Amino acid sequence: EVQVLESGGGLIQPGGSLRLSCAASGFTFSSYTIHWVRQAPGRGLEWVSAISGGGDITFYADSVKGRFTISRDNSKNTLSLQLNSLRAEDTALYYCAKEASPGGIDSWGQGTLVTVSS
Amino acid sequence: DIQMTQSPSTLSASVGDRVTITCRASHSISSWLAWYQQKPGKAPNLLIYKASSLESGVPSRFSGSGSGTEFTLTISSLQPDDFATYYCQQYNSYPYTFGQGTKVEIK
Repeated sequence: EVQVLESGGGLIQPGGSLRLSCAASGFTFSSYTIHWVRQAPGRGLEWVSAISGGGDITFYADSVKGRFTISRDNSKNTLSLQLNSLRAEDTALYYCAKEASPGGIDSWGQGTLVTVSS
Repeated sequence: DIQMTQSPSTLSASVGDRVTITCRASHSISSWLAWYQQKPGKAPNLLIYKASSLESGVPSRFSGSGSGTEFTLTISSLQPDDFATYYCQQYNSYPYTFGQGTKVEIK
């Protein structure tokens, strides 16, 4: 069974940093692109970032480019998202999610909540 | 970036109704479109990929169609479990983008 589990969220002041982690199991981790998608309270889904299976290709939404960094450790089946220079508008539930082979995102974690507030 | 626009934003319907949600892309995305269902407090669930392919385990009352810039998600006979919010997402090019969502409410 595919499982994805996020951790690392919390309350952080504006301008601060946070590192989110994602642990995956139940599939050949290094074969799949993994995404971060976020959802602000009461709002819709926003794609944030993705990393290729080998970890050599990364993508970011314009809203986080230059502030967030995605990385992965295929030896440990883990993924990270480093969040720097956080803003109030980064407050959201952050989902780690596995891309499906034919497209779309077929496996999601339950999310980790990041709250940026003074 | 490719913008995705869903309509309507909210839809009121009754059990048994046929429901259609539309998603428009600002540029052609071929058939690289997915549909998701999300219930309150839960992660999204993939329903349709490649515009019209039904994800394994998803009831056959859900169907998708379209290509290029215009797409539809149809629920042939709305069931109580289907009251939720639905999102389209393009994966033709990065950054991937979602529509703003369509909430299906009980009439």
